[in-house]
Amino acid sequence: SYVLTQPPSMSLDPGETARIPCAGNNIGSKSVHWYQQKPGQAPVLVIFYDSDRPSGIPERFSGSNSGVTATLTINRVEAGDEADYYCQVWDSGTNQNVFGSGTKVTVL
Amino acid sequence: EVQLVESGGGLVQPGGSLRLSCAASGLPVSGNYMSWVRQAPGKGLEWVSIIFRSGSTYYADSVKGRFTISRDNSKNTVYLQMNTLRVDDTAVYYCASSGDYYFEYWGQGTLVTVSS
Repeated sequence: SYVLTQPPSMSLDPGETARIPCAGNNIGSKSVHWYQQKPGQAPVLVIFYDSDRPSGIPERFSGSNSGVTATLTINRVEAGDEADYYCQVWDSGTNQNVFGSGTKVTVL
Repeated sequence: EVQLVESGGGLVQPGGSLRLSCAASGLPVSGNYMSWVRQAPGKGLEWVSIIFRSGSTYYADSVKGRFTISRDNSKNTVYLQMNTLRVDDTAVYYCASSGDYYFEYWGQGTLVTVSS
């Protein structure tokens, strides 16, 4: 089955840029979607189709995807960005959705 | 405004069954991709199942043969029938939907606890 790998955690100071990687075999050939989940809440879609932003998501959030790594970038991180972030793809080979293991972002 | 409201969670013994419901408003379940996603306590997200507009259904390997997803268009509701439940099925189960292969809308989740 297809596997997506994310670092378990990262810590940043306010105002820094967070770059959250999501690694997968030839992930650049797939469409990657990203979710933000705060404690006790349902996930929220923040990026779809690699780099599109749903309405209401700040422009500070952006995405890219190439080769073996997709990346969610959060510019000028704020305390309110502290959350778990998950990448997701649809694996057409197995007809299954796959989530990454998640990255906990802490804003110091 | 789109709303997905899950219900049916609770405490069940190992080997038992449970049926979850996801009542949708603001979108037709028949015209969207409807999924179930679960999250075990303190763990990450795990996709469980999907039903496409066509009615085709697919499952995670961990639940294949035990869980069944279905929908009732007249009630605008999606179901997840869970049989032969195991302790490791304990999780918050979310209903999620979109017109495509990502999850644009989410419910608030319903907790399923499998324990003796």
